[in-house]
Amino acid sequence: AQSVAQPEDQVNVAEGNPLTVKCTYSVSGNPYLFWYVQYPNRGLQFLLKYITGDNLVKGSYGFEAEFNKSQTSFHLKKPSALVSDSALYFCAVSAFTTSGTYKYIFGTGTRLKVLA
Amino acid sequence: DVKVTQSSRYLVKRTGEKVFLECVQDMDHENMFWYRQDPGLGLRLIYFSYDVKMKEKGDIPEGYSVSREKKERFSLILESASTNQTSMYLCASSLQQGIYGYTFGSGTRLTVV
Repeated sequence: AQSVAQPEDQVNVAEGNPLTVKCTYSVSGNPYLFWYVQYPNRGLQFLLKYITGDNLVKGSYGFEAEFNKSQTSFHLKKPSALVSDSALYFCAVSAFTTSGTYKYIFGTGTRLKVLA
Repeated sequence: DVKVTQSSRYLVKRTGEKVFLECVQDMDHENMFWYRQDPGLGLRLIYFSYDVKMKEKGDIPEGYSVSREKKERFSLILESASTNQTSMYLCASSLQQGIYGYTFGSGTRLTVV
């Protein structure tokens, strides 16, 4: 079955330190990968996506993500965390299905807490 | 910027009531989606639509129906609200399937009492 895993429910990091939020996927074919951020009582906001090409993609608010095909991972990173980065982060994959459509699968989310 | 607008941020309804959640997008997107979000369960797809008057069941359609009479509007209907439908409801739209990301509304937090 196609799936997305975010193995950490919560990640704590000190302000100014680099952060990583992990995501792995299991899909057939070539996936399209996305990261979203959700602030309290708000909808999700698009951060970045990987479609093809360079394995390192840059997105909003200084975030970037690295696609690793051999490890089927798409980890979200930022060189220097800010307290304002504290939020819920979702990884998602868009995978082609046998019925000829794309299915969008979300991970369960990782809460990032940046400590001052 | 594409905007997805959900009509209510907070809603309190009684058990057994018929509840309408409205969603409107302003960028001529083909695809629209309804999700519910619950702690520890992530986002679960209720229904989606790839065209006007077209609807498809998602992963958890029981107790819900939808309507898409116009391209820009996608309504979620709780036929008879129950307490286990207390949740955050998120509407989203996308230009096409596959490589396009989703634009989400701000969500409706529904409480059924």
